[in-house]
Amino acid sequence: GENVEQHPSTLSVQEGDSAVIKCTYSDSASNYFPWYKQELGKGPQLIIDIRSNVGEKKDQRIAVTLNKTAKHFSLHITETQPEDSAVYFCAERSNDYKLSFGAGTTVTVRA
Amino acid sequence: DGGITQSPKYLFRKEGQNVTLSCEQNLNHDAMYWYRQDPGQGLRLIYYSQIVNDFQKGDIAEGYSVSREKKESFPLTVTSAQKNPTAFYLCASSIDLGRIGEQFFGPGTRLTVL
Repeated sequence: GENVEQHPSTLSVQEGDSAVIKCTYSDSASNYFPWYKQELGKGPQLIIDIRSNVGEKKDQRIAVTLNKTAKHFSLHITETQPEDSAVYFCAERSNDYKLSFGAGTTVTVRA
Repeated sequence: DGGITQSPKYLFRKEGQNVTLSCEQNLNHDAMYWYRQDPGQGLRLIYYSQIVNDFQKGDIAEGYSVSREKKESFPLTVTSAQKNPTAFYLCASSIDLGRIGEQFFGPGTRLTVL
């Protein structure tokens, strides 16, 4: 994978509302799509991932959807809480065992 | 308590000096990686290593060098040839290359070249 676009770059939501981040990719060979959360002063941490043979995956308040035809995948956070405030990165991997990362989305949850 | 450690957290160097960033893991992982993070950009891969005594260039290897003499250690040297070395550097590891998405990241080293 060579190019991943991530939108929006910043997102401010009221506590309890949902947050959605979208990424698009260009390599049709991409087969794995992880999402990372990076808190201030720390390294990124994998929060959820999806493979190309699945359209949706959910883990408690976090879900990821994948549309292979349109080449985009999205992260959904429901019932947002202040501890969800962080920078979120999407990434994709094709067959070369390297990840291409989006530019990141800074999410702020307002109390 | 397993994990990845990077030291130091902050590093200052004068222009023209080489500097080595430390990365150690006790997770028994075969694969290790170095990324560079700049404001408003995603992580970019500098070097990666699949196994001891083996490493490969990533997308932005120019001006950097690495070694992998031990499974636990993957130090990164930022040489004077790197034109814009000021950045946040992240080390990561995974069980193997095939599970690169499940990589654990260290806390990072912020390098500032004066």
